[in-house]
Amino acid sequence: DAKTTQPTSMDCAEGRAANLPCNHSTISGNEYVYWYRQIHSQGPQYIIHGLKNNETNEMASLIITEDRKSSTLILPHATLRDTAVYYCIVRVGFQKLVFGTGTRLLVSP
Amino acid sequence: EAGVTQFPSHSVIEKGQTVTLRCDPISGHDNLYWYRRVMGKEIKFLLHFVKESKQDESGMPNNRFLAERTGGTYSTLKVQPAELEDSGVYFCASSQVRGLGNEQFFGPGTRLTVL
Repeated sequence: DAKTTQPTSMDCAEGRAANLPCNHSTISGNEYVYWYRQIHSQGPQYIIHGLKNNETNEMASLIITEDRKSSTLILPHATLRDTAVYYCIVRVGFQKLVFGTGTRLLVSP
Repeated sequence: EAGVTQFPSHSVIEKGQTVTLRCDPISGHDNLYWYRRVMGKEIKFLLHFVKESKQDESGMPNNRFLAERTGGTYSTLKVQPAELEDSGVYFCASSQVRGLGNEQFFGPGTRLTVL
C-alpha cells in the first residue's frame, strides 16, 4: 500500500471551509484515494473516494492533483460535529484499509 | 437499510477467559473485514472474508484468535484465551463486490476489556 502523509492536526472555525491535505507521492495507477473519519471512539465513517477526477458528495469534495501525488478533502461548511480524526488512505480493489495516524481536525465556534 | 451491526457493544472479561464477538454485515455485502484498535495505537487490519472464505488473514496476531463466517453471512471472532493486550476496540466492516473502488462501511465496534 502506498504511504500517505497528513498533518497531525488542524483547526477550523465553524462555518468555514476545512481543507485537509494529503500527500501520496508513491500512489500506483490503479490505486484509489479514500477518506474516512473517526469521531470519538465510533467506527470509522466513509466520506469519499476517487481515482483521477475530482469528486463531490453530500459530505465533502475531493480534489486530486493531475499527477495524483496529492489530494485535498474539503468540508465546505464545517460544523462542530465535524471534529474528528480524518484518514487519507490509498488502496485498490478489496484490499484492507491501512490507517495511519490521520489529521485531528478541531472545529471551534 | 440497516448498517453493519456488532454485538456486544462492550465486553469485560478476565484474563484466560473466552470471548466471542459477532458482526452482521450489510445485507448483500460479500466482503467482511475485521479491524481493531488497541490503546494508543492505530487501527489495524485483522482479516478479510469473501463470502465464507478467508481472503487475507495476515493481520491476525496469533492463534488465540479465530474468525469464522459460516454461510457467508454474519461473522464471529473468538479470542481464547484472552490476554491483557487483547483489550481494545474491535471493528467490523463490509463492502460490496463491484469494480476496483469499493467503500467499506464500519460497525460501531465492540469494546473489549481484559482484566
